[in-house]
Amino acid sequence: GAVVSQHPSWVICKSGTSVKIECRSLDFQATTMFWYRQFPKQSLMLMATSNEGSKATYEQGVEKDKFLINHASLTLSTLTVTSAHPEDSSFYICSARDGTSFNEQFFGPGTRLTVL
Amino acid sequence: AQSVTQPDIHITVSEGASLELRCNYSYGATPYLFWYVQSPGQGLQLLLKYFSGDTLVQGIKGFEAEFKRSQSSFNLRKPSVHWSDAAEYFCAVGRGSTLGRLYFGRGTQLTVWP
Repeated sequence: GAVVSQHPSWVICKSGTSVKIECRSLDFQATTMFWYRQFPKQSLMLMATSNEGSKATYEQGVEKDKFLINHASLTLSTLTVTSAHPEDSSFYICSARDGTSFNEQFFGPGTRLTVL
Repeated sequence: AQSVTQPDIHITVSEGASLELRCNYSYGATPYLFWYVQSPGQGLQLLLKYFSGDTLVQGIKGFEAEFKRSQSSFNLRKPSVHWSDAAEYFCAVGRGSTLGRLYFGRGTQLTVWP
């Protein structure tokens, strides 16, 4: 149980285009989902917290207009990288919390974004 | 603000040897502490967590960690490492008031020699 999937697992796009990444909780309802960014050989940086049906809460320094997050249902959250540039290339990881296990999150396998 | 320090970027041990991965945190109150393992192509997997109570926490795969408030540490240990333990290990801290937001250390890459 407690499986989180991400789609796509990798994506390559041209500079200036937008990319959408999906995060799904497959066997539980995720009241809260989190989005992280991970640079090579570095830590996971929390980007934003999204609660189903409400606006995402962004961490300091994360551009809201660049990284659009939508949590339309209890099993799906999406991250859209708008007008992507090479510096947005990174590994994006989502996690989901089912609300029944305090503070425990289940992580997706990640999405590798490369912007040319 | 809370922060997590993992001082060892890369550790190499021989199979069967003992292991200790260090983690120090900076936070005023008692934090919620976690250790995760990340293998290529897989999501982070929770090894163990500490919220309160017994400061020695047992986790999966034979791992344990000890919370030491006086040292602001939460070191991960395993008495005998297996080759399959080779992975990236992350220490993370959270607190109740932030409803699950986690802050991670930079990770420690573990290499296991046969």
